[in-house]
Amino acid sequence: ILNVEQSPQSLHVQEGDSTNFTCSFPSSNFYALHWYRWETAKSPEALFVMTLNGDEKKKGRISATLNTKEGYSYLYIKGSQPEDSATYLCAFIIQGAQKLVFGQGTRLTINP
Amino acid sequence: DGGITQSPKYLFRKEGQNVTLSCEQNLNHDAMYWYRQDPGQGLRLIYYSQIVNDFQKGDIAEGYSVSREKKESFPLTVTSAQKNPTAFYLCASSIMAGPLNEQFFGPGTRLTVL
Repeated sequence: ILNVEQSPQSLHVQEGDSTNFTCSFPSSNFYALHWYRWETAKSPEALFVMTLNGDEKKKGRISATLNTKEGYSYLYIKGSQPEDSATYLCAFIIQGAQKLVFGQGTRLTINP
Repeated sequence: DGGITQSPKYLFRKEGQNVTLSCEQNLNHDAMYWYRQDPGQGLRLIYYSQIVNDFQKGDIAEGYSVSREKKESFPLTVTSAQKNPTAFYLCASSIMAGPLNEQFFGPGTRLTVL
C-alpha cells in the first residue's frame, strides 16, 4: 500500500514568521508530486506540480522543493500572513498510475 | 464563472437509502474524480472518469456507483451497501487524466446517514 505522510499534522505560526513542513512518500517509481492549499469553507486549490529531483517551484511567498531519491518534499512559506491559514495537502503518483495518493494534510494557523 | 459545483452542501439520509451526489463542471475538462475525506485521513479516491462513458474504480469503490453520460456531469450514488457512508465527499476535474495535470475541486458535500 502506497503511503504519504505529512508532518506536522498541525502548526501554529506567528504572523510574519517563516515556516515549513514536510511531505514524505515512497521514492521508488516516483512520477509526480502535487501540493494543494485548502482554506476553510473553500475548495482545495493547486499550488505546484513537481516532477524532477531537485526541482524548486515558487508562487509569491510560497515555495516547494523536491527530493525524489530520498522521498520528500518541503513546502516553505516566507513571512506568514493570516490568509496563509489553511490545510496544505500533498499527493504523489507513481509511474504508470492514473491516481493521486494524498497525505492527511498539515493544518497551518497563522496567529496575528 | 468556470468551475465545479456540487450539490447539496449538506445531505442527510436514513440508513438503507441510496443517495446521489451531484457534480457539474463547466471547465470543459475530460477527467473527473470523486474523493472521500474522513477525519485524520487523506483524500481517498472512490471513482474516476477519463472521458465520457468511461469510468474506473478507485481505492474504495465498494458501495458506490457512478455514471458519466455527459462530459460536464459525474454523479456519485452512495448505495445501501456502503457500510460507513457518513463522510465529506469532494468532486474534482482535470483537463485530462494524467499525473501532471492539476485537479480542480468543488466545494464538497457532507453526507450524514442517520
